[in-house]
Amino acid sequence: DTAVSQTPKYLVTQMGNDKSIKCEQNLGHDTMYWYKQDSKKFLKIMFSYNNKELIINETVPNRFSPKSPDKAHLNLHINSLELGDSAVYFCASSQGHSETQYFGPGTRLLVL
Amino acid sequence: TQLLEQSPQFLSIQEGENLTVYCNSSSVFSSLQWYRQEPGEGPVLLVTVVTGGEVKKLKRLTFQFGDARKDSSLHITAAQPGDTGLYLCAGARGSQGNLIFGKGTKLSVKP
Repeated sequence: DTAVSQTPKYLVTQMGNDKSIKCEQNLGHDTMYWYKQDSKKFLKIMFSYNNKELIINETVPNRFSPKSPDKAHLNLHINSLELGDSAVYFCASSQGHSETQYFGPGTRLLVL
Repeated sequence: TQLLEQSPQFLSIQEGENLTVYCNSSSVFSSLQWYRQEPGEGPVLLVTVVTGGEVKKLKRLTFQFGDARKDSSLHITAAQPGDTGLYLCAGARGSQGNLIFGKGTKLSVKP
């Protein structure tokens, strides 16, 4: 069984479009995260949610809006996509903030 | 400002050789984690070190946390082609689970 799953795995879209990436975890964790990995493989946290409440919001443009309908899901909506948004986006989850984070397989976003 | 400096950035070696990857910072971390990421996959946790000076072994992999909890190393003995991948160190600061990642070491082990 997949612990942390993301959809879609690949996303190719035009500049200016709005898109969403979905994440689900079946580990019963209470904390979920979104990370961005750039072309140089640098992984940087974007958001953290604990029990559906935003805990960490790094310097991310307002075009990015996370939404957590329940503890098992954390979706990422991106408005007005730009070329620089092209990257791999990883969802992760953990039980509590300081515990091991389990990563999803990633969503490869390419903005043309 | 990159808080965690990882070196080397690239490493290509022959099967059977030993290697060490370093992760350095001027900041103190409450814990430090090492991940391995394969192409097309998400990072997978290898180990977490918490105590200054701690050494953990995972088969042929040895992880060490610096005494001051500012740096860490990963040593692989007798590398195998299956060790090929991107190795990432990540430091945890505070209680909010905010992981600061290094830029990774891309390891290639040739048979």
